[in-house]
Amino acid sequence: DAGITQSPRHKVTETGTPVTLRCHQTENHRYMYWYRQDPGHGLRLIHYSYGVKDTDKGEVSDGYSVSRSKTEDFLLTLESATSSQTSVYFCAISDGIGAGREQFFGPGTRLTVL
Amino acid sequence: GNSVTQMEGPVTLSEEAFLTINCTYTATGYPSLFWYVQYPGEGLQLLLKATKADDKGSNKGFEATYRKETTSFHLEKGSVQVSDSAVYFCALDYNAGNNRKLIWGLGTSLAVNP
Repeated sequence: DAGITQSPRHKVTETGTPVTLRCHQTENHRYMYWYRQDPGHGLRLIHYSYGVKDTDKGEVSDGYSVSRSKTEDFLLTLESATSSQTSVYFCAISDGIGAGREQFFGPGTRLTVL
Repeated sequence: GNSVTQMEGPVTLSEEAFLTINCTYTATGYPSLFWYVQYPGEGLQLLLKATKADDKGSNKGFEATYRKETTSFHLEKGSVQVSDSAVYFCALDYNAGNNRKLIWGLGTSLAVNP
């Protein structure tokens, strides 16, 4: 299994509080992704990183920011959490972007915003 | 634009039954096609893939053939087991600037009863 961990695995927070989710990899992969998974929407890309300090927006980036200060860590921050951000968040990594390249997923973080 | 449509679930089968989960796509260019599987409480993992027309991906008894003429990538298994109970996601990848992104179907839940 690819070495990807996410922390915390579960979190309950209140509306308006800041939240940071961490993704840590031991594979030295260049590309890292944050997705959210919601019933009826499948997986949607929030942000991704193509190198240290290199990040870009995905399709549902509003209300989220990311940072990547070293290869192994990719942080997702909800500056002021809202109930619509209640979801399961998955981190994924990839060692390249050629056609057919696999993404490896972490175990997920279940976030509940009350 | 690019999109993936897969059959809605849930699908409920008895053990040893034949499985088909339909997936069709629209895409510009030449995407690769994937099936990912998500077991309960886990992240997604690649089940199989195909990178060009007429390729067949196979793994763990599952198969799917990249059909350009029908823009389809249907997942099949001849004899399902209880351990195949999971959510199955069809996806395609496409070039997007400095990245290669995935477009996901909504997932199809499969329950296999003994």
